[in-house]
Amino acid sequence: EVQLVESGGVVVPPGESLKLSCAASGFTFDEYTMHWVRQAPGKGLEWLSLITWNSVATFYADSVKGRFTISRDNNKNSLFLHMTTLRTEDTAFYYCAKSFDYYFDDWGQGTLVTVSS
Amino acid sequence: QSALTQPASVSGSPGQAITISCTGSTSDIGDYNYVSWYRQHPGKAPRLLIYDVSKRPSGVSNRFSGSKSGNTASLTISGLQAEDEADYYCASYTGSSTYVFGTATKVSVL
Repeated sequence: EVQLVESGGVVVPPGESLKLSCAASGFTFDEYTMHWVRQAPGKGLEWLSLITWNSVATFYADSVKGRFTISRDNNKNSLFLHMTTLRTEDTAFYYCAKSFDYYFDDWGQGTLVTVSS
Repeated sequence: QSALTQPASVSGSPGQAITISCTGSTSDIGDYNYVSWYRQHPGKAPRLLIYDVSKRPSGVSNRFSGSKSGNTASLTISGLQAEDEADYYCASYTGSSTYVFGTATKVSVL
């Protein structure tokens, strides 16, 4: 059974940094592209970033480019999102998702990041 | 990249069919056959329903079907059931390895 478990969400003041993790199991992690998607409370889904299976390429939405960095450790079946210069509008549930092609076929349950003073 | 446009809400009676539209542009839906659809129940993670415009993953009911015409994709739910009451999102590949989601449609079963 595929499992994606996000962690690291906390309450953090504006301007601070935070690193989220996603632990993967139940599939061959290093065969899949991985993504981060977020959802502000009561709002819609927003795609943030992807990293290819071998970390050769990463891509970002304009809203987080230059502030967020996606990475992965295939030896530990883990995905990460390093977020810097956090803003109140970054408050959201953050989901990791896997894709073999151009869609998101499995999702984690999300971790809540609250940016507030 | 602006979000794809979906109706805010769609409703139907049990057993009826409903259709949710998802309108994009020539930069996303119109240019790629990589439209997917997701269902999200309150407090839960999204679940994949349709990919590549009209393909269903294993385990997804054949009550769900997808199509596309020009810059607009559609999700049809036939034989509406109480469990279909949820938020629905479309998504499209936009080129350059980026993606965009729709604005969400809340489906109510009357």
